[in-house]
Amino acid sequence: EDQVTQSPEALRLQEGESSSLNCSYTVSGLRGLFWYRQDPGKGPEFLFTLYSAGEEKEKERLKATLTKKESFLHITAPKPEDSATYLCAVQDGPKLIFGTGTRLQVFP
Amino acid sequence: DTGVSQNPRHKITKRGQNVTFRCDPISEHNRLYWYRQTLGQGPEFLTYFQNEAQLEKSRLLSDRFSAERPKGSFSTLEIQRTEQGDSAMYLCASSLARSFEGTIYFGEGSWLTVV
Repeated sequence: EDQVTQSPEALRLQEGESSSLNCSYTVSGLRGLFWYRQDPGKGPEFLFTLYSAGEEKEKERLKATLTKKESFLHITAPKPEDSATYLCAVQDGPKLIFGTGTRLQVFP
Repeated sequence: DTGVSQNPRHKITKRGQNVTFRCDPISEHNRLYWYRQTLGQGPEFLTYFQNEAQLEKSRLLSDRFSAERPKGSFSTLEIQRTEQGDSAMYLCASSLARSFEGTIYFGEGSWLTVV
């Protein structure tokens, strides 16, 4: 059965303190790995899709990377506005299988 | 293009009542999805439409749940005889793709509280 595990569950960072979020997955055949940002009480906001090992994508202070077993979301010099829950999901046919997310808090 | 739109954003209902949520996908998106999310969890897949055809339903979708997408445009999700366990955020998403690849965009969600 396809499974997605995210770590850590929660992360507290000082503004400017870079770090990485991990998403490990087991799927029979990866069709795509998605990263979303979710603010409290709102729907997930699309960030990246990665399709093959070795692929990297960047957006502002965020960089997503993919290996055969896991993906990392690197946050460089985060700001308080980066505080949110970051969700990872793998595509299984038409549907996405999500992890439980990493709750990130960035303090000034 | 205003994104995926969901209504109502919040609904409080008494146990046993029926509720209906509406989703308007991004225009021209041929795929529409419903997910459910509870506090501290990631979204869980409920069902999926391609155009007007409902192609897959999760075992999470009990007989009390029904979804429609008439004419392949907006969709409704109805929950009959609501139970307290139905309290969650119901998310709609849409995508445009000829295969299963393609960015999936989510709406802001509809919060359901069953009292």
